[in-house]
Amino acid sequence: DTEVTQTPKHLVMGMTNKKSLKCEQHMGHRAMYWYKQKAKKPPELMFVYSYEKLSINESVPSRFSPECPNSSLLNLHLHALQPEDSALYLCASSQGRLTINEKLFFGSGTQLSVL
Amino acid sequence: AQKVTQAQTEISVVEKEDVTLDCVYETRDTTYYLFWYKQPPSGELVFLIRRNSFDEQNEISGRYSWNFQKSTSSFNFTITASQVVDSAVYFCALSESPMDSNYQLIWGAGTKLIIKP
Repeated sequence: DTEVTQTPKHLVMGMTNKKSLKCEQHMGHRAMYWYKQKAKKPPELMFVYSYEKLSINESVPSRFSPECPNSSLLNLHLHALQPEDSALYLCASSQGRLTINEKLFFGSGTQLSVL
Repeated sequence: AQKVTQAQTEISVVEKEDVTLDCVYETRDTTYYLFWYKQPPSGELVFLIRRNSFDEQNEISGRYSWNFQKSTSSFNFTITASQVVDSAVYFCALSESPMDSNYQLIWGAGTKLIIKP
């Protein structure tokens, strides 16, 4: 089973809503990532959890709040988003501690629209 | 300055043609890794290959081949006898010293490949 599952696939929310994106993997990977991808652009790293601890936060606004309840799950809590936050949000995982040769396994993403 | 350059924004070929996607990178590190990922319309990025800076051997996997040349800082990707299912955006990426990049992958802008039947 080499799959990263993300839910929901599509999400439309208003600027005052609170919603959560979910990501799950059962490959025994110990690093999990959130990426944001705007149309026709490469992915931008937001957060990395390594062994369930937040290791990297790429200066992401506080309206995005990550959570890693256990080694298989990763959530992204959204609150008071702006229309410019509309994008494809991708979750990824990799095997172990952060190294520069990590091969990433991606989910198919949540397409988020903020109205 | 861009560290990973994919100069071809979009390439369109007819099925069964061969096509090469270019990737030029820039790093001052001696130890680094290069990657190619494929992103079909479904959105999921799929790992294709990883190559470390000490291994310049070219690689072939079925219809896919990669040409790594340190002398020209290039890591080009060729699809032989292209098929419609190869249509996707292809990203080249660089991973270098964490002191320079904090474990971030440095992505190229991507090349959109369209294979027409």
